[in-house]
Amino acid sequence: GENVEQHPSTLSVQEGDSAVIKCTYSDSASNYFPWYKQELGKRPQLIIDIRSNVGEKKDQRIAVTLNKTAKHFSLHITETQPEDSAVYFCAALTQGGSEKLVFGKGTKLTVNP
Amino acid sequence: DSGVTQTPKHLITATGQRVTLRCSPRSGDLSVYWYQQSLDQGLQFLIQYYNGEERAKGNILERFSAQQFPDLHSELNLSSLELGDSALYFCASSPGPGPGYTFGSGTRLTVV
Repeated sequence: GENVEQHPSTLSVQEGDSAVIKCTYSDSASNYFPWYKQELGKRPQLIIDIRSNVGEKKDQRIAVTLNKTAKHFSLHITETQPEDSAVYFCAALTQGGSEKLVFGKGTKLTVNP
Repeated sequence: DSGVTQTPKHLITATGQRVTLRCSPRSGDLSVYWYQQSLDQGLQFLIQYYNGEERAKGNILERFSAQQFPDLHSELNLSSLELGDSALYFCASSPGPGPGYTFGSGTRLTVV
C-alpha cells in the first residue's frame, strides 16, 4: 500500500523566513496530494492541494511543488508569521478502488517572533 | 464549522469499557473516514465507508468496529478499551471516494 514519508519532524524558523517541508510517496498511481494544517487540539484543515497533472500551485504565501518522477512533493511557506506555527501534514490519495488519504507523520513548525 | 459533526467532544472511560463515537458528514457527502491520532502521532487511517458500504480498512483493531447508517451518519465502536486507545478520533467526509476531505473537530477519548 501507499506509504508517505515526511521531513523534517520539527522545524523552527524566524519570523519572515521561509519554511520548506518535504514528502515522498511510494505508489506511483497516487494522483492527489493535499496539505493540512493542524493547530493544537483542533481539526486538520486543508491549506493547499495539488493534482498529478500540475507541477506547482501557489496561494499567496503558500506553494506546493510536485515531482512525479521522483515521487516527492514539498510545501513552501514564505514570509512566515507566528500564526503559521502548527503541525503540517502531507498526504497522498491512494487509488485502486479504495481511495483514501494516507498521511505523513507531520511536521511541527514553530515561527519565532 | 466544517459541517462534519462529531459527538461527543470528550469522553473519559475506564479500561475494559465500550464506547461509541458518532459522526455526521457534511450535507451531500457520501464517504466517511475514521482516523486515530495518538499523542504526537500522525493520522492513522482506520476505516472508510461509502454510501453505507465498507470500502476500505486500515490498521483497525478487532476490538473496534464501525458502520454507516442509511442517513449516512457513522458510528465507531471501541470495546474492551485499553490505556493505549486514548487518542483523538477524527471523522472526515467527502462527496465521494477521493478528494474533498473535510475533518470534524474530533472526539478526545481518555481511557483511565
